[in-house]
Formats: sequence, structure tokens, C-alpha cells
Amino acid sequence: GAVVSQHPSWVICKSGTSVKIECRSLDFQATTMFWYRQFPKQSLMLMATSNEGSKATYEQGVEKDKFLINHASLTLSTLTVTSAHPEDSSFYICSVPDRGRETQYFGPGTRLLVL
Amino acid sequence: LAKTTQPISMDSYEGQEVNITCSHNNIATNDYITWYQQFPSQGPRFIIQGYKTKVTNEVASLFIPADRKSSTLSLPRVSLSDTAVYYCLVALSYNTDKLIFGTGTRLQVFP
Repeated sequence: GAVVSQHPSWVICKSGTSVKIECRSLDFQATTMFWYRQFPKQSLMLMATSNEGSKATYEQGVEKDKFLINHASLTLSTLTVTSAHPEDSSFYICSVPDRGRETQYFGPGTRLLVL
Repeated sequence: LAKTTQPISMDSYEGQEVNITCSHNNIATNDYITWYQQFPSQGPRFIIQGYKTKVTNEVASLFIPADRKSSTLSLPRVSLSDTAVYYCLVALSYNTDKLIFGTGTRLQVFP
């Protein structure tokens, strides 16, 4: 069964609104989670590292005020796209490392369409 | 993190063996080589990981020469369901580190 879930699987919103995407670890606790973005026909681009109990670490060029990350518990990280615009339309994917099993699992992704 | 280079696309037919080579000239001593598979609108799925020589699992084989500057993912007898994008990654620890994805290789399998 799924080890990492994302909610919602897809979302359509109007320009200017905020959208929250959840990444949940179903089988183990994770102090770290990663958020990626993928545009059509392109590779995954790492956006940020979500750290439980502390601030997220953003990759160069990613606006931290635009993409708010909250790692509220050891099983949940949320990515909020604030004041979304059409150019934010993308496929957002999280990954969760399982240090106990020495592997990393990816979520199923969330497709965001901003009109 | 080491940069990887792999072919943009490859075509094959069902039943054939497919070999995808990845170049990683700047791989560090402690880096591992990992391959992921991604279907459209899905998250990547781990295929295989290795450090040197040859690794084989139920899905694929991974060949790594002694200098570790390249690696080859081998998919035996591909089927239509193997049509996907395959990513080669190099990281200190694939299971805990952030992963930097390259362009990937889009494999198309024809009947």
C-alpha cells in the first residue's frame, strides 16, 4: 500500500487565491520531507526541504514567502502556494526519507491548475 | 551534488533488452548511484541503487565500471508498461538526502 499520500490529488483555483497541499507519511515518522515541482515534459525541480520543528530550507530561486512550508508533525508537511498565479500551475510532489528502512518514498503528486 | 547526463529519449520494442547509460564524471567517493522510474502524473518510483560493479534485482540490473564515472541501467525484455521516464541520480545518500534530478530518459516501448 501507499507509504506517502498527498492531498488533494488535483486542484483548480482562481488566480490570487491560496492553495494548501498536504504530504503525509503513512507508515513512519519523518523529521525531513522534500518538496518538488514538475512542469510538463520537464524534470523534477527541488523546491525546499521541510524540517519538523524548524524553518524550511529553500532552494535558490524559490520564494519562501510564495511557497509556505509547515512541518507541523512527524507525519505531515504542508505546502501553501500563496496568491497563486497561472505560472504556478504545475505538478507538486513530495518525498519522504525513511531512515529506518534506508529508502526514500515519493508521494503520488498534486496537480495544480490556476485559472 | 554530481551532475548527470543521459540520453533524452530512447525507443524500443517489446521483448528487447534496453540499456540506458548515464554519465556522472564528477561523482564523489561517497556518492551512490540511484535510478528512478516515473510514469505520467505519478511520483517517481525507486528502481535500483548501487555503488560499484553490478547490482541486480527483480526489475533491473545496474552496471557500474571501476571508475564510476558512468552507469548503465539494463531492463531485460521490456514491455509496453515500461514506457516511462527514467532518471539517474547521484547522491551521498539517496535514502535521506535531497535529490537533484537531471533531464531523465524518456523510454518509449512499441508493440
